Amino acid sequence: EAGVAQSPRYKIIEKRQSVAFWCNPISGHATLYWYQQILGQGPKLLIQFQNNGVVDDSQLPKDRFSAERLKGVDSTLKIQPAKLEDSAVYLCASSRWTGAGHTDTQYFGPGTRLTVL
Amino acid sequence: GQNIDQPTEMTATEGAIVQINCTYQTSGFNGLFWYQQHAGEAPTFLSYNVLDGLEEKGRFSSFLSRSKGYSYLLLKELQMKDSASYLCAVRDRNAGNMLTFGGGTRLMVKP
Repeated sequence: EAGVAQSPRYKIIEKRQSVAFWCNPISGHATLYWYQQILGQGPKLLIQFQNNGVVDDSQLPKDRFSAERLKGVDSTLKIQPAKLEDSAVYLCASSRWTGAGHTDTQYFGPGTRLTVL
Repeated sequence: GQNIDQPTEMTATEGAIVQINCTYQTSGFNGLFWYQQHAGEAPTFLSYNVLDGLEEKGRFSSFLSRSKGYSYLLLKELQMKDSASYLCAVRDRNAGNMLTFGGGTRLMVKP
């Protein structure tokens, strides 16, 4: 079974530029998550999708971050414009939806390491 | 909100046993996960506890006490490749069953 795929693996941009990350979840996983992991910290949830609908985006800085999952499979996360403090690893994870508000174990992709100069 | 605490760093010797503790405060506890994360890599799932007690998986075991808001990850027969960060994460039904991660414990295994 293929794992969660993400691209690019690394990205270096200057502040105020835009950047986009792509994620392809494990086949059959209805739930997709984007996390931000700053060096030395645990992952912080940015947004959670159930199929193509947003379940929670309360921690997404909506003035500069956006995410979509139009067909309920792949997802993109965009930052526009980037700030220095956005330097982090952006992790995508997916899980099965087991019903009644429950999701299964989350499986993570390799992440995109973003450096904002 | 949730509060998850785990030690920042630990050091242990190859072949030894190490216990990594995690304490949490949450209003709607619905499971606790342990993940391993090697430097520069994605977290990988290690264990899941939702009921009190010990779950054993080879060299790794995880324990949960819901009344104490406490879990630990036990690593036996430590190997050099066990040097990694270990992340404790709690699922809260009152927060849409989302996972909240602790800051991680960086374990260094020495020869």
